[in-house]
Amino acid sequence: AQSVAQPEDQVNVAEGNPLTVKCTYSVSGNPYLFWYVQYPNRGLQFLLKYITGDNLVKGSYGFEAEFNKSQTSFHLKKPSALVSDSALYFCAVRANRDDKIIFGKGTRLHILP
Amino acid sequence: ETGVTQTPRHLVMGMTNKKSLKCEQHLGHNAMYWYKQSAKKPLELMFVYSLEERVENNSVPSRFSPECPNSSHLFLHLHTLQPEDSALYLCASSQEVGPNEKLFFGSGTQLSVL
Repeated sequence: AQSVAQPEDQVNVAEGNPLTVKCTYSVSGNPYLFWYVQYPNRGLQFLLKYITGDNLVKGSYGFEAEFNKSQTSFHLKKPSALVSDSALYFCAVRANRDDKIIFGKGTRLHILP
Repeated sequence: ETGVTQTPRHLVMGMTNKKSLKCEQHLGHNAMYWYKQSAKKPLELMFVYSLEERVENNSVPSRFSPECPNSSHLFLHLHTLQPEDSALYLCASSQEVGPNEKLFFGSGTQLSVL
């Protein structure tokens, strides 16, 4: 069965510092991986996805994620955090066309001014 | 805005009430979804519709009844809910139901069951 784990409930980063939000997954076969962000009182917004190809995926708002097959990870990164990046971040995985997309429980990111 | 509109934004209902949540998408998508979001839990997929046909029903209690009259509208009819059903209910749409399709979410309906 496929699953996705976000080991941190909350991550605190000082403004201007690099940030990482962790995600690991478990699927049989090649995964389709996604990151979504949820700002207060809003629905989720798509940030980026990995399907195949280059392991470093670039997305919206300066975010990127690195696919690491050996570690089964898909960590979200940004070189320099902004206060406006404070939000709830969800990692998601889908194993193939017939599987449903599975979301993690989310990681709350706090960027401290 | 994402092009997916949900109403109402907030709903308080008693356990014996009947109410409906509405979702409308203006993106020309063919697939629509209902998700349940509870604090510190993964998003739970409830229902998936593709071209107005239900393609997935994730063992959701019968007190939740979806309806998709056309590809732009999706409803979730609620009756005799329980307090544990209190949550944020999110609607989403995508171009089609595919492995790499990105989802567009509405802002959700915050439901409180008393």
